[in-house]
Amino acid sequence: GENVEQHPSTLSVQEGDSAVIKCTYSDSASNYFPWYKQELGKGPQLIIDIRSNVGEKKDQRIAVTLNKTAKHFSLHITETQPEDSAVYFCAATPDYKLSFGAGTTVTVRA
Amino acid sequence: SAVISQKPSRDICQRGTSLTIQCQVDSQVTMMFWYRQQPGQSLTLIATANQGSEATYESGFVIDKFPISRPNLTFSTLTVSNMSPEDSSIYLCSVMTSGSGEQYFGPGTRLTVT
Repeated sequence: GENVEQHPSTLSVQEGDSAVIKCTYSDSASNYFPWYKQELGKGPQLIIDIRSNVGEKKDQRIAVTLNKTAKHFSLHITETQPEDSAVYFCAATPDYKLSFGAGTTVTVRA
Repeated sequence: SAVISQKPSRDICQRGTSLTIQCQVDSQVTMMFWYRQQPGQSLTLIATANQGSEATYESGFVIDKFPISRPNLTFSTLTVSNMSPEDSSIYLCSVMTSGSGEQYFGPGTRLTVT
């Protein structure tokens, strides 16, 4: 099955700086890569996704890049704000069964 | 997207008992799933809830322990049977609203087994 590795496990950034989270996957058949944000006491929220036919996607301060050859994808958050503090999960799937990374706890320092 | 609710939001249960968790969606969805998130951990797929037929379980999860029902396109239940402290987790329902692959999660049910 698919195996997703996520780094770093924790990330502390100064407000206004950028944050980058990286994930690698093992199954070359994977073609859908969503990112979720989970705040304390809540369910994961889909924030952005990318499919294998696209190399980059951007939505306001959030962007995701995909390198299919190297089998890795990254989440970029620019101009970080305190409300960006949360746990972020990457996932990958070749069908519909999501395999998740271990998560990254992002803390934005004011 | 879809509005997903789960009941109960949290519960404390004694070992050996069972708890049924409900998941309700505000619109018809193509697929529904159940995930487990152990304390401080990532999400693991338990099973795909199939409408009108038996759920499809992932490796390590069995129907006797986690019976699932999906009587229609907007509702599903997950039962955690004969609970032990190791079952203490967050149980999450997710749905896929179309063939696009996007999955949306409910708020979760926080279960503590004593």
